[in-house]
Amino acid sequence: NAGVTQTPKFRVLKTGQSMTLLCAQDMNHEYMYWYRQDPGMGLRLIHYSVGEGTTAKGEVPDGYNVSRLKKQNFLLGLESAAPSQTSVYFCASSFSSFLGADGYTFGSGTRLTVV
Amino acid sequence: GESVGLHLPTLSVQEGDNSIINCAYSNSASDYFIWYKQESGKGPQFIIDIRSNMDKRQGQRVTVLLNKTVKHLSLQIAATQPGDSAVYFCAASSNTGKLIFGQGTTLQVKP
Repeated sequence: NAGVTQTPKFRVLKTGQSMTLLCAQDMNHEYMYWYRQDPGMGLRLIHYSVGEGTTAKGEVPDGYNVSRLKKQNFLLGLESAAPSQTSVYFCASSFSSFLGADGYTFGSGTRLTVV
Repeated sequence: GESVGLHLPTLSVQEGDNSIINCAYSNSASDYFIWYKQESGKGPQFIIDIRSNMDKRQGQRVTVLLNKTVKHLSLQIAATQPGDSAVYFCAASSNTGKLIFGQGTTLQVKP
């Protein structure tokens, strides 16, 4: 099915380890986003991209890096994981602007635990 | 800073009743609003949107009302069904063009 695919779905890391979360979309969307979702808080934007080869910081970028080498993929990296990065991570995409005709299409999430 | 908030963290309704979920936003310049539904273990799913030049928009069993004067929007679900049980988020456009999300209201449907 067309949409946004995130891998992995679950991961447990030890403090200080690194990892990369992969987001892939097959809708030819220009804009892609990484959010984190924590209990009692809304979705918070980590980084986003407005096109292949571009990235920009969102609301909570510290401790994360991203890359958009291909239009369909948006990678989120944690260089040195910390317990504060325990969260559920969502990738989203939209067609032609920040505010697409139907908002953003979200992936199913990656549940990350840092111990 | 800009914020979007939901009035109740949890709403419990009887199956068949109508549900109303409320949301407030802080930025009077917000001109686009969306409601999302998030089921357990899944990502948010688009329900309905509304632009600031409208007061009301209807979808299938859902209606969104926008009151720009008091910066409030609501989602009404008619004849609530067990499958409507989920977390509902509102989101508002920000000055930078991106969406600001609220914390979410958990809708529980009692049989």
